Amino acid sequence: DVKVTQSSRYLVKRTGEKVFLECVQDMDHENMFWYRQDPGLGLRLIYFSYDVKMKEKGDIPEGYSVSREKKERFSLILESASTNQTSMYLCASRSGTGGLYGYTFGSGTRLTVV
Amino acid sequence: AQRVTQPEKLLSVFKGAPVELKCNYSYSGSPELFWYVQYSRQRLQLLLRHISRESIKGFTADLNKGETSFHLKKPFAQEEDSAMYYCALSADNYGQNFVFGPGTRLSVLP
Repeated sequence: DVKVTQSSRYLVKRTGEKVFLECVQDMDHENMFWYRQDPGLGLRLIYFSYDVKMKEKGDIPEGYSVSREKKERFSLILESASTNQTSMYLCASRSGTGGLYGYTFGSGTRLTVV
Repeated sequence: AQRVTQPEKLLSVFKGAPVELKCNYSYSGSPELFWYVQYSRQRLQLLLRHISRESIKGFTADLNKGETSFHLKKPFAQEEDSAMYYCALSADNYGQNFVFGPGTRLSVLP
């Protein structure tokens, strides 16, 4: 029944490491999103993609990049991890024609940068 | 720009008491509004959306355009309702302009 899968539930990385967070959806959705979730700040959009090889910056793209080589997979990349990127990262997808529908979220990846 | 506010970070009620989680938005057009819920150790999931005017798990939410509000209500809270609740606004049909509020943690006490 799982429709959006994030490859890791917990990750611990060192400052300066390059980090890859993977997300796969099996619903053939056009739109995919990466958010970070922090207490008191809610969900903040990092990047989104509305098609293969397309990407758009969200509200807080600094320090992050993304890759979407296939429709079902959307990767978030931290080029050089820093402690202020310690957070819960949520991937979501949404149909391009699904105006009446919200997002389907993954279980999240809790990243700790030490 | 669109904005969603949830004035309460934490709301505690006793089991059986009514509960109302507040959500206000700012948007000049006709928004689509949603409530999402995240139970402990579970993924964020859609609770209800205003356009379907449904009741899920006893919760309802009415869009009040005059007050730009979309408060979530339940007449009798249950302990299993304890969770984090996010109000969200979609300003387009393509999911490219979706804004979440900061969230309210509901704690239902026995």
